[in-house]
Amino acid sequence: GAGVSQTPSNKVTEKGKYVELRCDPISGHTALYWYRQSLGQGPEFLIYFQGTGAADDSGLPNDRFFAVRPEGSVSTLKIQRTERGDSAVYLCASSFGDSSYNEQFFGPGTRLTVL
Amino acid sequence: AQTVTQSQPEMSVQEAETVTLSCTYDTSESDYYLFWYKQPPSRQMILVIRQEAYKQQNATENRFSVNFQKAAKSFSLKISDSQLGDAAMYFCAYELGFGNEKLTFGTGTRLTIIP
Repeated sequence: GAGVSQTPSNKVTEKGKYVELRCDPISGHTALYWYRQSLGQGPEFLIYFQGTGAADDSGLPNDRFFAVRPEGSVSTLKIQRTERGDSAVYLCASSFGDSSYNEQFFGPGTRLTVL
Repeated sequence: AQTVTQSQPEMSVQEAETVTLSCTYDTSESDYYLFWYKQPPSRQMILVIRQEAYKQQNATENRFSVNFQKAAKSFSLKISDSQLGDAAMYFCAYELGFGNEKLTFGTGTRLTIIP
């Protein structure tokens, strides 16, 4: 019974570089969510996928952030031209997504540090 | 927009005693969901308890219970018989549900258990 997994666990990059963060949801979960948790804060919503399509991307902070889920399973969060303010823990969650309420199961997150 | 406020950045409790964590929220909706999540140092968010706004009865899960006051928009978490393993960050969260599934989190309360 694998849970949500995220890779890498930690990522250190330099300002201006491009990074990709990967999320493997629980098998059979159609909904997938990305959140960003800055130091000392609660997670903030970034984007939500239902299947392959982004159902709500209202939380993406700017056009440097982009996420895909081409086959409705694995998702990749892509950040271009990273800035020091992008440093945070990026959390992924998944759910069955088929009823009025669907429990979200979280992964352990990727800690991104931009130097 | 919905907001969630946790006014206690830190709380501590003696092992085996009872502690209450506070949460208030703001919404114009009448149907929604409220949650308490636990985040240990491993970073993985774990659902502790859930409350549907249309239910008047307060949710309970073993040693965890909530005091849901809909008119006051208050949602506190009571932990009875506190155990060392309860030490963690606790986040209150709100979700509209019904297809709008992004979670809005508070800033968290760090709970310390004193042996």
